[in-house]
Amino acid sequence: EAQVTQNPRYLITVTGKKLTVTCSQNMNHEYMSWYRQDPGLGLRQIYYSMNVEVTDKGDVPEGYKVSRKEKRNFPLILESPSPNQTSLYFCASSWGSGEQFFGPGTRLTVL
Amino acid sequence: GENVEQHPSTLSVQEGDSAVIKCTYSDSASNYFPWYKQELGKGPQLIIDIRSNVGEKKDQRIAVTLNKTAKHFSLHITETQPEDSAVYFCAASIPPTGANNLFFGTGTRLTVIP
Repeated sequence: EAQVTQNPRYLITVTGKKLTVTCSQNMNHEYMSWYRQDPGLGLRQIYYSMNVEVTDKGDVPEGYKVSRKEKRNFPLILESPSPNQTSLYFCASSWGSGEQFFGPGTRLTVL
Repeated sequence: GENVEQHPSTLSVQEGDSAVIKCTYSDSASNYFPWYKQELGKGPQLIIDIRSNVGEKKDQRIAVTLNKTAKHFSLHITETQPEDSAVYFCAASIPPTGANNLFFGTGTRLTVIP
């Protein structure tokens, strides 16, 4: 089944404790993105990647890192999480010219 | 970057009625306008999209219209059904990164009352 998977689905952590949210797609898509969803703000793009080893900042990149060492994986790294990064995170992938396929989401709480 | 505004934030309709959600965008260079549906506990899913060289597109009960001069586009759902209840997001993208770099509206929670 074609899909985007994210892990973990739920995470509660404390301020300053480094964490990684994994994202993997099995559709051989070149493009991958990370978004955060907050009430009243919609989805905002954090980072995107147009291919292996090619990443670029989206609208809200501060406090996040990404890497794209393999085509199928695009992990999101929070090196020192803060409470304002409490949010619902979505990974997405696409061929680049149309539909983005979204993962099921990761709900992160930073205490 | 692009700024997309979406209205209304909530919308309730009786089953069988039509629903209309409207979005405006700020950057005249935007050329791709998708609409996503998000059901509870799931990621957004594309339901229809339109490109700037087209004024209207239909897919069964769903249609999207685009007015490039006014910089606004709308989603129309006819003969609504309870399973249409969800949050709907409009989005816009600008070349050259195009559809990979989407700017989303703030969402509309649609409730279809049986």
